[in-house]
Amino acid sequence: GAGVSQSPSNKVTEKGKDVELRCDPISGHTALYWYRQSLGQGLEFLIYFQGNSAPDKSGLPSDRFSAERTGGSVSTLTIQRTQQEDSAVYLCASSSGQGVNIQYFGAGTRLSVL
Amino acid sequence: AQSVTQPDIHITVSEGASLELRCNYSYGATPYLFWYVQSPGQGLQLLLKYFSGDTLVQGIKGFEAEFKRSQSSFNLRKPSVHWSDAAEYFCAVGAPAAGNKLTFGGGTRVLVKP
Repeated sequence: GAGVSQSPSNKVTEKGKDVELRCDPISGHTALYWYRQSLGQGLEFLIYFQGNSAPDKSGLPSDRFSAERTGGSVSTLTIQRTQQEDSAVYLCASSSGQGVNIQYFGAGTRLSVL
Repeated sequence: AQSVTQPDIHITVSEGASLELRCNYSYGATPYLFWYVQSPGQGLQLLLKYFSGDTLVQGIKGFEAEFKRSQSSFNLRKPSVHWSDAAEYFCAVGAPAAGNKLTFGGGTRVLVKP
């Protein structure tokens, strides 16, 4: 079956613009995670969804970042008024349920803010 | 809060030689431990995991790791490295009490000499 799919694979934007990053999890996976991978900070957790609710948003770096998940499936990470420090690879992962299950990762979206 | 340290940023190894990557974690309860590998431009692929039981775990691609509670370590090993093992390797700890998120080490980049 298909793995975790992220789009776009690359996004170049100008400082101050809004961007939306999309994640399609593995079918049937109820848990979905967003992480950010940057040179200075390594791999950081951003937000976690169980179904459509987000019990842990503790990693979102500022109120410019938001995410939603609809229908227990697709998730969108939105960054408003992008800044150069937002440049990073944004990774999405999904897992099958409660507890610490294996997280399966997508290939990521590389965001470049000019 | 949990944390993960990978002391070696880069390791260079000759093809056919053995490889050991170090990982130390900090977590108050029994940890759930993972090793992931990332090839250039790719997402993270799970190599192996430790949840409980036998402290020596086998993974894909001939990798194994040993959980040592007394040393708070989960080192990754491979007896004979292939050129295709050149990649970046990440150790991670996860726990339900932490919202199921993974906390990653900084990664170790492995270069393989012919």
